[in-house]
Amino acid sequence: KQEVTQIPAALSVPEGENLVLNCSFTDSAIYNLQWFRQDPGKGLTSLLLIQSSQREQTSGRLNASLDKSSGRSTLYIAASQPGDSATYLCAVRWMTTDSWGKLQFGAGTQVVVTP
Amino acid sequence: EPEVTQTPSHQVTQMGQEVILRCVPISNHLYFYWYRQILGQKVEFLVSFYNNEISEKSEIFDDQFSVERPDGSNFTLKIRSTKLEDSAMYFCASSEALLGGSGYTFGSGTRLTVV
Repeated sequence: KQEVTQIPAALSVPEGENLVLNCSFTDSAIYNLQWFRQDPGKGLTSLLLIQSSQREQTSGRLNASLDKSSGRSTLYIAASQPGDSATYLCAVRWMTTDSWGKLQFGAGTQVVVTP
Repeated sequence: EPEVTQTPSHQVTQMGQEVILRCVPISNHLYFYWYRQILGQKVEFLVSFYNNEISEKSEIFDDQFSVERPDGSNFTLKIRSTKLEDSAMYFCASSEALLGGSGYTFGSGTRLTVV
């Protein structure tokens, strides 16, 4: 069964520390993986999209890596700030013949950055 | 930056009533989706829509649900007879391409409360 798992479920760090968020998936046959940010009661903001042929993507303080063979992606946020406090979700598009592109989400990691 | 727009942001309805959730996808996107998130749970796929027809739907998307693109810009989700368990945040999303591209763009969601 195809599953997406995010561990830990919650994380608290002091301001300035680097954040490391993990996402694992059970099937390496993926089209791409996308990281989102969700603020409480709000929508999903896309952070980074990694295609299956890529090893990493970077945007500002954010860097996401992808290792298909081990079924893992890691989101790094450098020099965390209180404004980074949110829930971070990863979502996978599987490479299945009958899939029209739906995403499967992990449960998310809730991050709190303390001043 | 182009946005997916959803209205209303919050809707309260009585059990058994019909509701229509509205979305305006990004104008040059061809693929449209509805997802939902029950409070405290994962974001889950409901339906994908392409070329004026449903291309994929989940087990959740039963006969109570329908989708429509009534004109060139709007994309709607109708729930015919709402139940308490339909209370959730409903997200509309669109994508430019089925594969690759720039990934999914999500709207800010409609919080549906069934009383």
